[in-house]
Amino acid sequence: EAQVTQNPRYLITVTGKKLTVTCSQNMNHEYMSWYRQDPGLGLRQIYYSMNVEVTDKGDVPEGYKVSRKEKRNFPLILESPSPNQTSLYFCASSPRMGASEKLFFGSGTQLSVL
Amino acid sequence: GENVEQHPSTLSVQEGDSAVIKCTYSDSASNYFPWYKQELGKRPQLIIDIRSNVGEKKDQRIAVTLNKTAKHFSLHITETQPEDSAVYFCAANPTGGGADGLTFGKGTHLIIQP
Repeated sequence: EAQVTQNPRYLITVTGKKLTVTCSQNMNHEYMSWYRQDPGLGLRQIYYSMNVEVTDKGDVPEGYKVSRKEKRNFPLILESPSPNQTSLYFCASSPRMGASEKLFFGSGTQLSVL
Repeated sequence: GENVEQHPSTLSVQEGDSAVIKCTYSDSASNYFPWYKQELGKRPQLIIDIRSNVGEKKDQRIAVTLNKTAKHFSLHITETQPEDSAVYFCAANPTGGGADGLTFGKGTHLIIQP
């Protein structure tokens, strides 16, 4: 089944403890992206990747890192999480963003930083 | 960068009535305008999209209209049903097919009253 898989689904952590949220897609998509969703603010892009080893900042990149060593995986890394990073995170992919195509979203990761 | 404004933030309609959600965008180079529906606790999913070379697109009970001159686009849902209750997000591709990805509106919570 074609899908974007995120793990974990829920995560509670403490300030400063490094964490990684994994994202994997099995559709051979070139484009992958991370969004955070906060009440009243909608979906805001954190980082995106046009292809392997190509990543760039979105609208709210501060406090986050990403890597794209392989086409299928695009992990989101929080080196030193802070409470303002408590949010619902979505990974998404599409065949080629330059062609303005449908985004396929993962099921989301609800992160709480205490 | 692109700025997408979405109104209203909450919309309550009687079952069977029509619902209209409106969005404006700032980047005249944008050429792709999708709408995503997010049911409670679920991931956003594409329901309809429109490209800048057409003014209207319909798919059963939903339609999207685009006014490039005024830089606004709207989602129309007719004969609303309980399953239409969700948060709806509009989006625009800010660089007209470039690498930046989608900029989303802040969302509209559509409530269908029985």
